Amino acid sequence: GAGVSQSPSNKVTEKGKDVELRCDPISGHTALYWYRQSLGQGLEFLIYFQGNSAPDKSGLPSDRFSAERTGGSVSTLTIQRTQQEDSAVYLCASSLGGDINEQFFGPGTRLTVL
Amino acid sequence: GENVEQHPSTLSVQEGDSAVIKCTYSDSASNYFPWYKQELGKRPQLIIDIRSNVGEKKDQRIAVTLNKTAKHFSLHITETQPEDSAVYFCAATPLSGGYNKLIFGAGTRLAVHP
Repeated sequence: GAGVSQSPSNKVTEKGKDVELRCDPISGHTALYWYRQSLGQGLEFLIYFQGNSAPDKSGLPSDRFSAERTGGSVSTLTIQRTQQEDSAVYLCASSLGGDINEQFFGPGTRLTVL
Repeated sequence: GENVEQHPSTLSVQEGDSAVIKCTYSDSASNYFPWYKQELGKRPQLIIDIRSNVGEKKDQRIAVTLNKTAKHFSLHITETQPEDSAVYFCAATPLSGGYNKLIFGAGTRLAVHP
């Protein structure tokens, strides 16, 4: 079946502009996570969704970052007034939840802020 | 919160040799420890995981060991092959109601030379 998909695959933007990143999880997966991977670094947790609600937003770096999920499916991560330090690969993952823990990752969106 | 340290950051082995990557974690509540493999430009993929009620788990050439007392876990790859070359990430999380915010180590770049 289809895996987790993300769009766009690459995004180049100018400092100060807003960007929206999209994640389509695997159908039926109730849990959705966003992570950020800076060049040569590990993955940094940003936010977790269970259904449409986000019980854990503790990883969002600043109030310029926000995310939503609608219909228990698609999620968008929005970064307002982008800064150069926002440049990274943004990865989305989904899992069935409950006792099924494996997180399936999408291919990521590479964001470059000039 | 949880903190995961991973060593070494780079590892170079000859084909057929074994490779060992070690991780330590700080939160004694963590009880799920997955390992992800990320090939260049690709998404992270789960290769093996272990829960804290198990001390060791093996899948063909890959094994993971867990020492809860010492709060460390290790990935062992035997009979390495060039296709094992990738970045490997360990992670830890306290499972709670299907919610597993993964805290990742910084990664180990493994190079297997023919």
